[in-house]
Amino acid sequence: AQSVAQPEDQVNVAEGNPLTVKCTYSVSGNPYLFWYVQYPNRGLQFLLKYITGDNLVKGSYGFEAEFNKSQTSFHLKKPSALVSDSALYFCAVRDMGMRNFNKFYFGSGTKLNVKP
Amino acid sequence: GAGVSQSPSNKVTEKGKDVELRCDPISGHTALYWYRQSLGQGLEFLIYFQGNSAPDKSGLPSDRFSAERTGGSVSTLTIQRTQQEDSAVYLCASTRSWDRTNTGELFFGEGSRLTVL
Repeated sequence: AQSVAQPEDQVNVAEGNPLTVKCTYSVSGNPYLFWYVQYPNRGLQFLLKYITGDNLVKGSYGFEAEFNKSQTSFHLKKPSALVSDSALYFCAVRDMGMRNFNKFYFGSGTKLNVKP
Repeated sequence: GAGVSQSPSNKVTEKGKDVELRCDPISGHTALYWYRQSLGQGLEFLIYFQGNSAPDKSGLPSDRFSAERTGGSVSTLTIQRTQQEDSAVYLCASTRSWDRTNTGELFFGEGSRLTVL
């Protein structure tokens, strides 16, 4: 079965510093990978996705993610964090197999705290 | 509509009562999903629909939970005889289509916050 792991419950970073939120995945076949952000009392907002092509994917609000097939990772990154980036971040994988086609699996989420 | 719409946004009910949560997906989106999120936690998959049929109901926590979708559009999640552990935010999402040409993401609603007293 497909699965996604976010090993860190929380990441703390100072404003202006680079940030990384980690995600590893387990899939059969080619992975379709996504990152979402959730602000308090809101739904999830799409940030970026990897389907195919360049390993470095750029998305909304200056975020990017690096797909690493050998390490089965899809870490979210930003060169310079903002206090307004503080939120809950979810990694997800979409199942493209026959049995659970189109099912999306989400990680447990990582809370990002950016301090002034 | 412009986005995924969920109602009610907040629902407080007494233990043992039935509740209905509604989701109106983006117009033209044929795939619809329900997830549950407990306070500040991850997403628990409940059920998804392709058109009006549900290929996977495995995530429904008990037989008190049911969902339907009519006309390939609006979906209703019903919880019967609510319990305190049902308190959570129920999120609905949709995506354009079921076929493999759709590489798109899920679009989420703002959620329905359910509190069972």
